[in-house]
Amino acid sequence: GAVVSQHPSWVICKSGTSVKIECRSLDFQATTMFWYRQFPKQSLMLMATSNEGSKATYEQGVEKDKFLINHASLTLSTLTVTSAHPEDSSFYICSAGRGNTGELFFGEGSRLTVL
Amino acid sequence: GENVEQHPSTLSVQEGDSAVIKCTYSDSASNYFPWYKQELGKRPQLIIDIRSNVGEKKDQRIAVTLNKTAKHFSLHITETQPEDSAVYFCAASRPPGNTGKLIFGQGTTLQVKP
Repeated sequence: GAVVSQHPSWVICKSGTSVKIECRSLDFQATTMFWYRQFPKQSLMLMATSNEGSKATYEQGVEKDKFLINHASLTLSTLTVTSAHPEDSSFYICSAGRGNTGELFFGEGSRLTVL
Repeated sequence: GENVEQHPSTLSVQEGDSAVIKCTYSDSASNYFPWYKQELGKRPQLIIDIRSNVGEKKDQRIAVTLNKTAKHFSLHITETQPEDSAVYFCAASRPPGNTGKLIFGQGTTLQVKP
């Protein structure tokens, strides 16, 4: 199947700092990628849709100035958590679809811990 | 927007028994319904999916049924094995094409007892 890679797999940072997470589609081009957040023992919550060459579309309640998304190429989307706080600690997962099947391929996920 | 409800939140069965997880969705325009299995700390893995032009799909021990009128779909696992223990998520998305904006259910923790 298609491969989506995410980096870093885990990161620990101090409160107030910014953290960047990368999501790459390794064997296909993705004009659209999706960022999800998953708190422990909870479901995947869609944060935003990353669109290559244009602004991301954020879900209701997600602060666009706090979660900066850049999709500068057809194989790379980045999520930057700005001025991170302990409540931002979570598992962040990206995904991308290939073709018109609707099937999503997920990255490995990035576990963020903010001290 | 789309809302997906999933039940039960936890399910415990004996090895060899069947397990059924049910989901309902709100957006009648949704046309793609995948099921994912997620093990602790890992990414979700697609186990089966169904589209709105099909009522049932089966893949070995796993089957999914869809009732468009009632807007609900179900996952059926037969002859469960301990390695089936995981969290299962249903999801739904609507067209167009490969935008794939999936909305997930709350998840079901399945425990298969040896």
